[in-house]
Amino acid sequence: QKEVEQDPGPLSVPEGAIVSLNCTYSNSAFQYFMWYRQYSRKGPELLMYTYSSGNKEDGRFTAQVDKSSKYISLFIRDSQPSDSATYLCAIGWVDKIIFGKGTRLHILP
Amino acid sequence: SAVISQKPSRDICQRGTSLTIQCQVDSQVTMMFWYRQQPGQSLTLIATANQGSEATYESGFVIDKFPISRPNLTFSTLTVSNMSPEDSSIYLCSVDGGGGNEQYFGPGTRLTVT
Repeated sequence: QKEVEQDPGPLSVPEGAIVSLNCTYSNSAFQYFMWYRQYSRKGPELLMYTYSSGNKEDGRFTAQVDKSSKYISLFIRDSQPSDSATYLCAIGWVDKIIFGKGTRLHILP
Repeated sequence: SAVISQKPSRDICQRGTSLTIQCQVDSQVTMMFWYRQQPGQSLTLIATANQGSEATYESGFVIDKFPISRPNLTFSTLTVSNMSPEDSSIYLCSVDGGGGNEQYFGPGTRLTVT
């Protein structure tokens, strides 16, 4: 079983829809959870960072962590064409981070 | 967050040659990291570079192939040596957030080996 699993997509949704992106992980020792957004030919940009189970909200973005199920999600409300990118989950403990392969998201105007 | 730049942004190199990638940060950082991103694959950590000490390499990566320098708290280089087409990839540097465990990435160097 891979340490972090993420559906690569592509995921296409109409503008204005709610987007749900997900990752599962295998090691309960993981302590912190991040989501990155990567536009084509750019480096990953940190979107969300959290330690704890539950929800963390920042504007249109909500990160959700369920440690009991080893499952994390990123929700994007009122999706915009500018949200079209690859989204990578990243999960870590101490000074080690494991990245998912990324989900390609297309927001259709 | 820190502003990170990388040079070159892209390059096409011949088999057997070497390329040195530079990473510059606009503030002093303790830890710098070098990653490889291959198509359809997750980011893979090559090594961690702390100023004043030897870089720490991950399993599968060796210093002879990927020598790293870290001369000060704002700069690092990664050399890809004796390149083969399998080294074609995006190489990214990142830095630690300073307060937590998050990392911030540079724009990447897109390397093609022919």
